[in-house]
Amino acid sequence: DGGITQSPKYLFRKEGQNVTLSCEQNLNHDAMYWYRQDPGQGLRLIYYSQIVNDFQKGDIAEGYSVSREKKESFPLTVTSAQKNPTAFYLCASSIGGLQETQYFGPGTRLLVL
Amino acid sequence: GENVEQHPSTLSVQEGDSAVIKCTYSDSASNYFPWYKQELGKRPQLIIDIRSNVGEKKDQRIAVTLNKTAKHFSLHITETQPEDSAVYFCAARRDSSASKIIFGSGTRLSIRP
Repeated sequence: DGGITQSPKYLFRKEGQNVTLSCEQNLNHDAMYWYRQDPGQGLRLIYYSQIVNDFQKGDIAEGYSVSREKKESFPLTVTSAQKNPTAFYLCASSIGGLQETQYFGPGTRLLVL
Repeated sequence: GENVEQHPSTLSVQEGDSAVIKCTYSDSASNYFPWYKQELGKRPQLIIDIRSNVGEKKDQRIAVTLNKTAKHFSLHITETQPEDSAVYFCAARRDSSASKIIFGSGTRLSIRP
């Protein structure tokens, strides 16, 4: 359970506002991921990063941006271009390479005011 | 593109009975198949995984079977207990650092007392 954290637990966004979700891991994992989960649905990949200073778009990257300046950190910004941001956001990490067991953070629930 | 289909979307079983969740995948090169359990409002957690060089794996009351020819794999939970109530996700991916893990849409399992 421990080792990967997300903050805040709940986040409120106003119309036209950019917000940033934090994800930190101390597992020394190379790879990190961001997923979006809508009620009653599965996990959809937003962005992933296999190494510092490199990241790739997932299936639903539009309206989101990320950075990977440090191995431990993979923040996700939900921009004003994301018109339907209300969802549960999950960050995950894995050792990387062929070891693909992903460990998830506790999640951030984003709500629009 | 790659796809993982999961059935059923909801499942209700009597406590003590068995539960079976089935997944099919489209990418014949997939060879790693994890299962995650997500309790309400919490993070998904890995409960069991299987690689393509084995056909079945068991861990106490949980087992996973894999049929590579038919491209399907199943989760079996025996002697179900109330704490088994959760959403279960299957997933599949290739053993390649360039591959994404593809999740099924989830099964909500309810255990009736």
